[in-house]
Amino acid sequence: DSGVTQTPKHLITATGQRVTLRCSPRSGDLSVYWYQQSLDQGLQFLIQYYNGEERAKGNILERFSAQQFPDLHSELNLSSLELGDSALYFCASSGEGGEQFFGPGTRLTVL
Amino acid sequence: QQQVKQSPQSLIVQKGGISIINCAYENTAFDYFPWYQQFPGKGPALLIAIRPDVSEKKEGRFTISFNKSAKQFSLHIMDSQPGDSATYFCAAEYNFNKFYFGSGTKLNVKP
Repeated sequence: DSGVTQTPKHLITATGQRVTLRCSPRSGDLSVYWYQQSLDQGLQFLIQYYNGEERAKGNILERFSAQQFPDLHSELNLSSLELGDSALYFCASSGEGGEQFFGPGTRLTVL
Repeated sequence: QQQVKQSPQSLIVQKGGISIINCAYENTAFDYFPWYQQFPGKGPALLIAIRPDVSEKKEGRFTISFNKSAKQFSLHIMDSQPGDSATYFCAAEYNFNKFYFGSGTKLNVKP
């Protein structure tokens, strides 16, 4: 158990809809990262937050947005969903040591 | 542009054999090189990591070899076991917020 929690575990929705994925980092970790992993694909970095502020942006679509709240939990919002957005979405957190600890992921299925 | 190139894409090894996965990078600013192990349906988990001030790090059956001049690093799994069958990702990081993953290697250790 990495100490990072993600909800929900599974999400099934329709094209055009909007969903919110939630992540709680390990206790004390200020950084939160979001990744997308499509079937049999590598990890695509989406975005990083540090203590509530956006720190780095990767290949995140304009339809996607994220935020980190004062209690350090983070949410990833995906809107106008397309079939191709079906994937595993991982959240990771890190502290001063730099090591990233991954949550169990949210499996999103867009029908 | 892919910051970290990983090979091979897949690997089949007999039980007891040595598994070798290679990664190469271009950006000399990288200062932290972790390897992650991911089982199906789970989040990646940190396996072993190295910083560029050492050329090798060993933890049990897992060894990272690091060649700074060649900008390459590799993971060696000695005495490979069926339980090691998983996808392995190398990564490279600098500034605690520039984190890049390789494309992954699917390892299958045959009994």
